[in-house]
Amino acid sequence: AQRVTQPEKLLSVFKGAPVELKCNYSYSGSPELFWYVQYSRQRLQLLLRHISRESIKGFTADLNKGETSFHLKKPFAQEEDSAMYYCALSGYSSASKIIFGSGTRLSIRP
Amino acid sequence: NAGVTQTPKFQVLKTGQSMTLQCAQDMNHEYMSWYRQDPGMGLRLIHYSVGAGITDQGEVPNGYNVSRSTTEDFPLRLLSAAPSQTSVYFCASSPAGDHGYTFGSGTRLTVV
Repeated sequence: AQRVTQPEKLLSVFKGAPVELKCNYSYSGSPELFWYVQYSRQRLQLLLRHISRESIKGFTADLNKGETSFHLKKPFAQEEDSAMYYCALSGYSSASKIIFGSGTRLSIRP
Repeated sequence: NAGVTQTPKFQVLKTGQSMTLQCAQDMNHEYMSWYRQDPGMGLRLIHYSVGAGITDQGEVPNGYNVSRSTTEDFPLRLLSAAPSQTSVYFCASSPAGDHGYTFGSGTRLTVV
């Protein structure tokens, strides 16, 4: 079964400090992992996906299959990063079915 | 392109009433999904579709029906509304083989 765990409901850091949002997953096959972000009063949008190995808005995430983790990191937080972040998982052969974690609210303090 | 359009944006229902949440996309995406978003529980998959005429159940399908008669539309039906179905509902779509879903702006449903 697919399962995504985000252990932190709320993460509060100061502007300029490093950020790490944790995500752990459970999946028996080959997973595809994503991070989605929802800014206040906006719709959910894709932030990045592990398969593209990209950095978006300074955020990166590395898939660690040994630890079954896909943590989201940014070296220097900015106030505009305050939002709700969701980790999501689909199977390589079942791209249509994406399961989300419970989300982490990131709050950046000035 | 309008993207993914959901209607209505807000709805209040009485317990036992039925209604249909509409979702339409103009990007010719094969995949479409419905999620509900509840505080502390994130987004939970209700139903999804891989193409016209094909639907499947997600994590929380009970009390909901879907159909996919066209590529563009994927309506979600609440058969007999219950207070537990008070939530924000999101529709999303994606090209086949891609994994990045585009989301609608949501429907906030309250069942009293």
